Amino acid sequence: EADIYQTPRYLVIGTGKKITLECSQTMGHDKMYWYQQDPGMELHLIHYSYGVNSTEKGDLSSESTVSRIRTEHFPLTLESARPSHTSQYLCASRERASYGYTFGSGTRLTVV
Amino acid sequence: GENVEQHPSTLSVQEGDSAVIKCTYSDSASNYFPWYKQELGKRPQLIIDIRSNVGEKKDQRIAVTLNKTAKHFSLHITETQPEDSAVYFCAVLTQGGSEKLVFGKGTKLTVNP
Repeated sequence: EADIYQTPRYLVIGTGKKITLECSQTMGHDKMYWYQQDPGMELHLIHYSYGVNSTEKGDLSSESTVSRIRTEHFPLTLESARPSHTSQYLCASRERASYGYTFGSGTRLTVV
Repeated sequence: GENVEQHPSTLSVQEGDSAVIKCTYSDSASNYFPWYKQELGKRPQLIIDIRSNVGEKKDQRIAVTLNKTAKHFSLHITETQPEDSAVYFCAVLTQGGSEKLVFGKGTKLTVNP
């Protein structure tokens, strides 16, 4: 089924660890986005991409990095996780001709 | 950049009543306004959207109205049901070089049986 998939769904890691959150979509969408959702619900854009080899920082400063080597894959990496990175991370995508986003189910990250 | 204000932050209604959530935005060039529903533990899902060339759009019990002059738009849910309980987000598509959605802070709607 065409959709957007995020793994892992939940992750608990120690401070200082390097982690990569996976996001893949099977819809052939050009545009992909990462949002951080805090406990107060608000969605903050941290990275986006308009296509292969295109990445931009979003409105919220983040210590994470992203890459877009393949259209379907948009992973997010934290080189050294800290407790302040504890949050839910949502990946989204949309096709070029449409404005509506499709969201993944999210990764809930806890850094201890 | 675009600034989106959403009110109220929480809303509690009785089953069968109507619910209204309002959003304002700052960039008069914005032309696409979606609403997302996020149930507890689930992903946000698009429930309705409107473009700037229309003033109202309806889909069964939900409707969105847009006032471009005043730069505000609203979500209306009629005959609310307990399954309407969720967090609702409005959003505005930014214009210019980078097209991206800027979201309101969300409204937690509770429908009491």
